[in-house]
Amino acid sequence: NAGVTQTPKFQVLKTGQSMTLQCAQDMNHNSMYWYRQDPGMGLRLIYYSASEGTTDKGEVPNGYNVSRLNKREFSLRLESAAPSQTSVYFCASSEGLSPRGTDTQYFGPGTRLTVL
Amino acid sequence: TQLLEQSPQFLSIQEGENLTVYCNSSSVFSSLQWYRQEPGEGPVLLVTVVTGGEVKKLKRLTFQFGDARKDSSLHITAAQPGDTGLYLCAGEGGADGLTFGKGTHLIIQP
Repeated sequence: NAGVTQTPKFQVLKTGQSMTLQCAQDMNHNSMYWYRQDPGMGLRLIYYSASEGTTDKGEVPNGYNVSRLNKREFSLRLESAAPSQTSVYFCASSEGLSPRGTDTQYFGPGTRLTVL
Repeated sequence: TQLLEQSPQFLSIQEGENLTVYCNSSSVFSSLQWYRQEPGEGPVLLVTVVTGGEVKKLKRLTFQFGDARKDSSLHITAAQPGDTGLYLCAGEGGADGLTFGKGTHLIIQP
């Protein structure tokens, strides 16, 4: 089992460019999440999908959009990248047993994004 | 907004020493999780504590959930270089699911 995979691992963008971060899980989990991790700020939730077909905003959704393509895949799109979006982005998944999917979360290896 | 404060922010000790890191909040959580994150990787769950006063042991690591379910601690006995990493606590109970603390950076020097 690969668990949670993310692509790309590294990316450099110029201000205003767009890109999509891809995430896939092979654990048949219902819930999926996107976080960003910044020095001194910890992990902050951007968007989550409690189940296939639903998405909800987290703590820091501005400047991002998501798509739950199917049960396995959950993508994060930056339409017009800004330097403030320089961060490490983590995708996670969980079985979704509890109402808001706050059971064990399994994280991918992260995407390191720099916006110049 | 529920906040989790972790202390210390940074800790560097010698192999073989004992240490305790803390996770505190003014809010009550229905459960609390501890994760370890190594450089260049995503966090990995170590343990979940659910009941106030609960103590769980994972080899040399001891986790405790406060009686009021507002705080938790992680105690490591005889630390080893392999324990080096970022330790994150995360509380369940907020509107957006898990609330993460900012973490404790732990370095164990040989």
